[in-house]
Amino acid sequence: DIQMTQSPSTLSASVGDRVTITCRASQSISSWLAWYQQKPGKAPKLLIYDASSLESGVPSRFSGSRSGTEFTLTISSLQPDDFATYYCQQYNNYPSTFGGGTKVEIK
Amino acid sequence: EVQLVQSGAEVKQPGESLRISCKGSGYSITTYWISWVRQMPGKGLEWMGRIDPSDSYTNYSPSFQGHVTISADKSISTAYLQWSSLKASDTAIYYCARTTVTTFFDYWGQGTLVTVSS
Repeated sequence: DIQMTQSPSTLSASVGDRVTITCRASQSISSWLAWYQQKPGKAPKLLIYDASSLESGVPSRFSGSRSGTEFTLTISSLQPDDFATYYCQQYNNYPSTFGGGTKVEIK
Repeated sequence: EVQLVQSGAEVKQPGESLRISCKGSGYSITTYWISWVRQMPGKGLEWMGRIDPSDSYTNYSPSFQGHVTISADKSISTAYLQWSSLKASDTAIYYCARTTVTTFFDYWGQGTLVTVSS
């Protein structure tokens, strides 16, 4: 299976901060990567697919990028609604696998 | 509006069988696969497998193959996840998710909490 390593596991930030979360794949996955946001007690929500395509209805402060096997989710200006856990998912290889998650906490 | 509505929470004893459901609406269920994703208490997400409701073809993650069965009834736009003999380690929230052709998940059910305890 492809291993997806997310960092950091926890991130403390303030409203208005620029936040970056990284996900590294254990081998090439092309750009077949998605990012999800999950709030406590809720289902995950799709934010980004194909590494950098913004899902309809998702605020433009969210963006995704790729450099080789390293992928980045950036929140340009953190809002109160953004405190949550974020997961990456690769869908290049079977079985699809997720990163371990990054919890974004209030500083 | 696309919606996936899952069946309610379950409390079962070890060794019991269980089937949970996921009903799709707002789209034709035969045009997208449905996946099941596990989230154990306080842990991350794990893809279990998927089904094409149009013909009930299934793929399973090797980690779950043989432990669960995924099925569907396209006539009622519903997918199922079932166990024949539950274990305490099956305690988790199980999500269904609409699965695109490239296999990411664009709509999710609300989750079904399964608790297995004696």
